[in-house]
Amino acid sequence: DVKVTQSSRYLVKRTGEKVFLECVQDMDHENMFWYRQDPGLGLRLIYFSYDVKMKEKGDIPEGYSVSREKKERFSLILESASTNQTSMYLCASRLGGAGNEQFFGPGTRLTVL
Amino acid sequence: GQQLNQSPQSMFIQEGEDVSMNCTSSSIFNTWLWYKQEPGEGPVLLIALYKAGELTSNGRLTAQFGITRKDSFLNISASIPSDVGIYFCAGQLKAAGNKLTFGGGTRVLVKP
Repeated sequence: DVKVTQSSRYLVKRTGEKVFLECVQDMDHENMFWYRQDPGLGLRLIYFSYDVKMKEKGDIPEGYSVSREKKERFSLILESASTNQTSMYLCASRLGGAGNEQFFGPGTRLTVL
Repeated sequence: GQQLNQSPQSMFIQEGEDVSMNCTSSSIFNTWLWYKQEPGEGPVLLIALYKAGELTSNGRLTAQFGITRKDSFLNISASIPSDVGIYFCAGQLKAAGNKLTFGGGTRVLVKP
């Protein structure tokens, strides 16, 4: 079974703090993704990575950065957290190539005070 | 980016009822996907559709890829309490690097 794990289920941070969200997958997948989920808006893509050291902006990258130093790990970084980044963050991974399923982690609910 | 309009936003189900939800887009997709998210979990793929007009079933779930490639629907027949959750449609386009675009979700609740 594919396993995508996220470092925290719940996180509370203060405005201006630097925040790291970690995601690890154990199936040697090339592609990894970070989404945020907000009510009524579905999942919106923040950043994705096709392979190690590679990163591409998604639809809403502003205020975020990512790091992919190892194939199994994809980190989302909020350089200076703001209250409008309070959200559910979902990581996903997928085998490279068309037509392959994305597998999601359980999510991290981040609250920025 | 592309927009997917998913409706209804929420619905109440009574055990045994058939329910339906749909997604429409302003532009075409190569693949339509339907996911279900249960509380505290990430979305899980239910059905994938790869060809216009395709009708696919997975147990009590049936989904169709619209002929125009701009819409899809999901039906749940004879609903049961464990059908509650949030259902998402997603479109995938090869020209966009196979990224997924998600609808806003349909929250399915049990009638009190």
